[in-house]
Amino acid sequence: KAGVTQTPRYLIKTRGQQVTLSCSPISGHRSVSWYQQTPGQGLQFLFEYFSETQRNKGNFPGRFSGRQFSNSRSEMNVSTLELGDSALYLCASSLQGPKSSPLHFGNGTRLTVT
Amino acid sequence: DAKTTQPTSMDCAEGRAANLPCNHSTISGNEYVYWYRQIHSQGPQYIIHGLKNNETNEMASLIITEDRKSSTLILPHATLRDTAVYYCIASAQGGSEKLVFGKGMKLTVNP
Repeated sequence: KAGVTQTPRYLIKTRGQQVTLSCSPISGHRSVSWYQQTPGQGLQFLFEYFSETQRNKGNFPGRFSGRQFSNSRSEMNVSTLELGDSALYLCASSLQGPKSSPLHFGNGTRLTVT
Repeated sequence: DAKTTQPTSMDCAEGRAANLPCNHSTISGNEYVYWYRQIHSQGPQYIIHGLKNNETNEMASLIITEDRKSSTLILPHATLRDTAVYYCIASAQGGSEKLVFGKGMKLTVNP
């Protein structure tokens, strides 16, 4: 079974631009969670989607948004990029949700904002 | 979710058992203990989880004390590839589907 796929693997953007990251979950998984990882803050929860509905959101500004499609694939968008948005963005899928079934992570998208 | 406390780091010799402790003294009766690990430059990897009974799978064993206030993840024969940050999380199933990771513990397996 294919794992969680995140694209692109690396991304360089300029302040003020916007970016869209993509996540393809494991087949059959309906829940997709997104995390931001930085050296200083560790893994920070962004949001979780299940069957196209956002069920939970972390403490991030409205510039961070996401969506999930009917095939469970998910995208997250960051608008008006700031230098502090430079981070590894990780997507994870699970059957029913991160607390109900194990999370399976992709290897992330490394975003650098200059 | 109950707060968990792990050492910042620990070392282990290759081939020996690695015993990774986790304290969760305020854990509730319906909260599971989950273990994940993150190898450098990769996404975290699920290892094992349990509620009361000890659990074992192909990767590790999880020993939970009778009072459930602490647990130990055991890697029976540590290899260099087990060098990673290990996260212990206490969380109830269902409810708010938001799994929060702490800072974890860096395990270094030495040759």
